[in-house]
Amino acid sequence: GESVGLHLPTLSVQEGDNSIINCAYSNSASDYFIWYKQESGKGPQFIIDIRSNMDKRQGQRVTVLLNKTVKHLSLQIAATQPGDSAVYFCAENMAGSNYKLTFGKGTLLTVNP
Amino acid sequence: EADIYQTPRYLVIGTGKKITLECSQTMGHDKMYWYQQDPGMELHLIHYSYGVNSTEKGDLSSESTVSRIRTEHFPLTLESARPSHTSQYLCASNWGFSTDTQYFGPGTRLTVL
Repeated sequence: GESVGLHLPTLSVQEGDNSIINCAYSNSASDYFIWYKQESGKGPQFIIDIRSNMDKRQGQRVTVLLNKTVKHLSLQIAATQPGDSAVYFCAENMAGSNYKLTFGKGTLLTVNP
Repeated sequence: EADIYQTPRYLVIGTGKKITLECSQTMGHDKMYWYQQDPGMELHLIHYSYGVNSTEKGDLSSESTVSRIRTEHFPLTLESARPSHTSQYLCASNWGFSTDTQYFGPGTRLTVL
């Protein structure tokens, strides 16, 4: 299933399924995007990043897709595991902002065994 | 695993007390950041620093103050804590390039009674 990070803050999937978490970013001039994972009681942990000159980037079990036309970012997690349960945030580096990051509201991913 | 540390991890304190939240990183990063995060919500930048003796206010107004006397150390101080200051405070650091992710500490959960 899909979840829009700003409007549907929760996503529940079965273990082994693929997860897709979406994020709409605000500034068309943003040139760098990051996905973070935050487990309960911990600080955000870097997952994957992508520059604005790319459309897709793959990591281990994760893929980030960037659609600059509609200012949309998505995180795909393959074969979701219980350890993937966390809140996922997208962040954008807004050009001209002295490299400060602006975070989205986050999506809570729950993986059911 | 990022080498950035925050103490205390949890703090419960009465109204009117002065508190200092500690943040240290051993990566030699020039830039450091403080974020405030309410449960389940996005991160809001409250302070940042480009280097020693450099501090700036972030996007979210905060009654806290910061200092950067040493590269590795970026403490945050509240002169008189109030219940409205109850939140999680996250410290981060990076080299500050335009495509450089921020590395986060574990956070301090502050409760002001």
